[in-house]
Formats: sequence, structure tokens, C-alpha cells
Amino acid sequence: EAEVAQSPRYKITEKSQAVAFWCDPISGHATLYWYRQILGQGPELLVQFQDESVVDDSQLPKDRFSAERLKGVDSTLKIQPAELGDSAMYLCASSPRPRGELFFGEGSRLTVL
Amino acid sequence: DQQVKQNSPSLSVQEGRISILNCDYTNSMFDYFLWYKKYPAEGPTFLISISSIKDKNEDGRFTVFLNKSAKHLSLHIVPSQPGDSAVYFCAASATSGTYKYIFGTGTRLKVLA
Repeated sequence: EAEVAQSPRYKITEKSQAVAFWCDPISGHATLYWYRQILGQGPELLVQFQDESVVDDSQLPKDRFSAERLKGVDSTLKIQPAELGDSAMYLCASSPRPRGELFFGEGSRLTVL
Repeated sequence: DQQVKQNSPSLSVQEGRISILNCDYTNSMFDYFLWYKKYPAEGPTFLISISSIKDKNEDGRFTVFLNKSAKHLSLHIVPSQPGDSAVYFCAASATSGTYKYIFGTGTRLKVLA
């Protein structure tokens, strides 16, 4: 069964360092999402791609976060510099279409010390 | 402003009984809803969806009910099994714009053997 791949699964870093997360969606899924989930809260959308274009990044802290999906396939989410409050689970999801079911990866757990 | 609310942080149910998880929303433009289940250290997995043109959708032990006038939906699990113990999230999407999904804060279900 096709899955959304994410790496790394776990990342520990010190504040002010740079961090990058990678996501490979299910083949053929045009829509890709990055969500952030803080413990005890629901997933919060950071950025949504349709193919290689950003369609929503209204909640992305653009002073420190960036995301790209250059060829409309895999995607990278970067944080620079990392802050203590960025400690969270970063979830990537893909969907065959904008209103379709979301398929999530296992997530990347970030701890900022 | 929390547009999707799950007011019960936790719920305990005996094995074999019915579990009812509730979700309220405030945005009348939401017309498509999803339920997800999440185990610790894993990404959310899709359970069931419902469109606003319906008031009920069933899939095996899972049934979702939608009350548009009350802006309320509920997920029924019958019979509940210990493997259902997880955090459940509802998510809503509007009919216009980017169709992004807004997630609730989750309800932790514990099914007691």
C-alpha cells in the first residue's frame, strides 16, 4: 500500500539552529500539506501545495519557515532559526485532489533545546 | 478563533458499548467533514467522511451523523473495541477558497476491556 514518507522521524536541535524536514507524497497526489501538531492540540495547517504552487501559507511564520515543492513531487519544510516554541510534530499529508481524503505520513518529531 | 471544536478532551467506554465523539463547528461555509484516528507516534489515519448533502454515513462499526442546523457532527463506534483507543480528530473544509481542512483539538478515547 502506498504511503507518505517523511524524514527524519525524530530531530533534536538547539535553538537558533537550522532544521529541515522532507516529505515524499503518494505517487500521483497533486495536493500536499504540511501541518504542525503541538502536544494536546489538533493539527494546524502551515502550507498547502497544489502541484508546485503554494495555495495557502497564511499560517506559515514566514520570517523563519520556508517550504518548497520544486517539481511538484517531494517537498521540504525548513526552519531557520529554530525556536523553543517550534517543538512539535510536523506532519505531511497528500491527497489526490484538494477536497479529497488526506493521507498522512508518520510525522517528524522536533525537539528544540 | 477555534472554528472546529471538540469539547471533550477524553472519553472512557467499556468494550462492546457505544462510543460517541462530538464535534462542533462555527463556520457555516464548512460542507465536508472528515474523522481521523491517531495512535501515539504515528500520523493520523482516515476513518470516515461526510458531505453536507447527507446527514449520515456508515462504514462498518463507524457512523458519522451531521446536524447542519446545529453545526454539529458526531462519530459513533459500535461496538467499541480496545484497539479503538486513540485520539480522534474531526476536520472540516469549506466549499470555496483553497478547501483547506481545519482540525479540532481531538478527543482521547479509552476503551476498557
